[in-house]
Amino acid sequence: AQSVTQLDSHVSVSEGTPVLLRCNYSSSYSPSLFWYVQHPNKGLQLLLKYTSAATLVKGINGFEAEFKKSETSFHLTKPSAHMSDAAEYFCVVMDSSYKLIFGSGTRLLVRP
Amino acid sequence: DTEVTQTPKHLVMGMTNKKSLKCEQHMGHRAMYWYKQKAKKPPELMFVYSYEKLSINESVPSRFSPECPNSSLLNLHLHALQPEDSALYLCASSQANLGQRTFGSGTRLTVV
Repeated sequence: AQSVTQLDSHVSVSEGTPVLLRCNYSSSYSPSLFWYVQHPNKGLQLLLKYTSAATLVKGINGFEAEFKKSETSFHLTKPSAHMSDAAEYFCVVMDSSYKLIFGSGTRLLVRP
Repeated sequence: DTEVTQTPKHLVMGMTNKKSLKCEQHMGHRAMYWYKQKAKKPPELMFVYSYEKLSINESVPSRFSPECPNSSLLNLHLHALQPEDSALYLCASSQANLGQRTFGSGTRLTVV
């Protein structure tokens, strides 16, 4: 069965410093992986997706993620955090019946 | 139009009330979804409609009744809810079951 683990429930960075949100997945086949962002009291917005093309995936708002099969990881990065990046981030894997399996979420706090 | 529109944005209802949540998309997507999200938790899948037919019901109590009148509309009828049903209800759509989901902003439901 597919699963996803977000290794940090909270991450705090200073504005202008790099962001790293960690995600490990478990899948018996080449997975489809996604990162979604949710700002307070809002819906989920797709940041980026991996579907077995390039292993380095570029998304919106300067975010990118690298698919590493050997490490079963799909970590989300951004070179320089902005105050508007403060939100909840979900790593998601699609299972064999096309359901989305969500990680528990990582809350990103950006300090001025 | 690349949006999923949900109405109302906020709803307060008593335990004996009947109300409906509405979701609309005009992207030509043929799969539509209802999710429930409690505070500080990831979304949980409730129902999936594929080509206007209910394809997945995640053992949701019968006090929640979904309806898909046409390919652009999805309703969630609510009756005799409990306070623990208070949550953010998210609608999503995708081109097909294996496509990326586009989420609406949600309806914040409070049951009193």
